[in-house]
Amino acid sequence: GAGVSQSPSNKVTEKGKDVELRCDPISGHTALYWYRQRLGQGLEFLIYFQGNSAPDKSGLPSDRFSAERTGESVSTLTIQRTQQEDSAVYLCASSLGTDLILNTEAFFGQGTRLTVV
Amino acid sequence: DAKTTQPTSMDCAEGRAANLPCNHSTISGNEYVYWYRQIHSQGPQYIIHGLKNNETNEMASLIITEDRKSSTLILPHATLRDTAVYYCIVWGYQKVTFGTGTKLQVIP
Repeated sequence: GAGVSQSPSNKVTEKGKDVELRCDPISGHTALYWYRQRLGQGLEFLIYFQGNSAPDKSGLPSDRFSAERTGESVSTLTIQRTQQEDSAVYLCASSLGTDLILNTEAFFGQGTRLTVV
Repeated sequence: DAKTTQPTSMDCAEGRAANLPCNHSTISGNEYVYWYRQIHSQGPQYIIHGLKNNETNEMASLIITEDRKSSTLILPHATLRDTAVYYCIVWGYQKVTFGTGTKLQVIP
């Protein structure tokens, strides 16, 4: 597709269950970012990938959160043993790279709305 | 990473210019200033970016002070569709970090 695609668009899960959120970046984009946005709050950085490696995982809220990327393409954000405070919109973005020389913008998906009940 | 501070909210009359300020006093010499906006229930949308010169595109103008410690996003003729949260961010070497943004309400 032409843009960043995220699935599912909505997910309702029971507390304690594991969830996987998927992001398909724009083809050729080497950088991929995950953000979380709680209701009424700003965007909270979680993790980014340069290629398949994640140089900065400092934003992951706890060890229940993990992410991987394969083939410099699709990325999966996994939340284990979900808690109610994990309820949020999870946004994925991609860009050509993080190198400032490229001076490029990041394109965002529409997000996955996660509700933990 | 350089941090940004923005007013929490602003109002603007429809048809008037909306001027959204942003402070980024710790910005380093090779970091860019980017502006995104997020309309309710949608992913963030790119608006404009710049390094040290003022920039203009079909959506907005970006004015960056000479010392680069602050910038202003200008929407020349605000419409109701411009009601959104506007994020000023500094793009460093490794990641893009957002602040809490300014909620712009365009009033009829």
